Amino acid sequence: QLVQSGVEVKKPGASVKVSCQASGYSFTTYNINWVRQAPGQGLEWMGWISPDNGNTNYAQSLLGRVTMTTDTSMRTAYLELRSLRSDDTAVYYCARDAFSYTSALVGYMDVWGKGTTVTVSS
Amino acid sequence: IVLTQSPDTVPLSPGERAILSCWASQSIGNSLAWYQQKPGQAPRLLIFDASNRATGIPARFSGSGSGTDFALTISSLEPEDFAVYYCQQRSNWPPWTFGQGSKVE
Repeated sequence: QLVQSGVEVKKPGASVKVSCQASGYSFTTYNINWVRQAPGQGLEWMGWISPDNGNTNYAQSLLGRVTMTTDTSMRTAYLELRSLRSDDTAVYYCARDAFSYTSALVGYMDVWGKGTTVTVSS
Repeated sequence: IVLTQSPDTVPLSPGERAILSCWASQSIGNSLAWYQQKPGQAPRLLIFDASNRATGIPARFSGSGSGTDFALTISSLEPEDFAVYYCQQRSNWPPWTFGQGSKVE
């Protein structure tokens, strides 16, 4: 399972760091994706990180504001988003790839955290 | 790659068949998944690689299609199937993208 950190309320221009702790599987074998969902809206893929080697791939729209990291000793993935705006208000999910990073089927997400609500408001 | 789902909302009754469509702006082979999301919950993987059911998914859920045209069929709706369904592509290399969702009400 994936257990995420709690609710965050931030002011515009601030930064937020959300955590996602994994258990019950080999943490370094599967990529972790981050997906967000604004209120009443659809799903937006933000990027992924390989806990095995730290490689990342970010959505173009977030480049320069987002950093994904992992701490393998803590089996935890982190999402940091900087220069927050009101349209960053959303539920942020971490989601594990369904297949190992060595598979040709990376990109499908089978285990999801419950989500972390981030509200950006002055 | 842009994914467009249809319909946005479909009113149905338990026992009826639901057919949801997803179109890709360019060919993605069979690199498509379907997810179900209920209010206040995270998405749940139903189908991967267009037609393969994920672990524990009932047989009433089936996926079809390849290239640019895909469909999710729920053969006989159960009360717990009323939800929003999203398609997602993972063709070639990131970014992965989701469709806008179809609500079965």
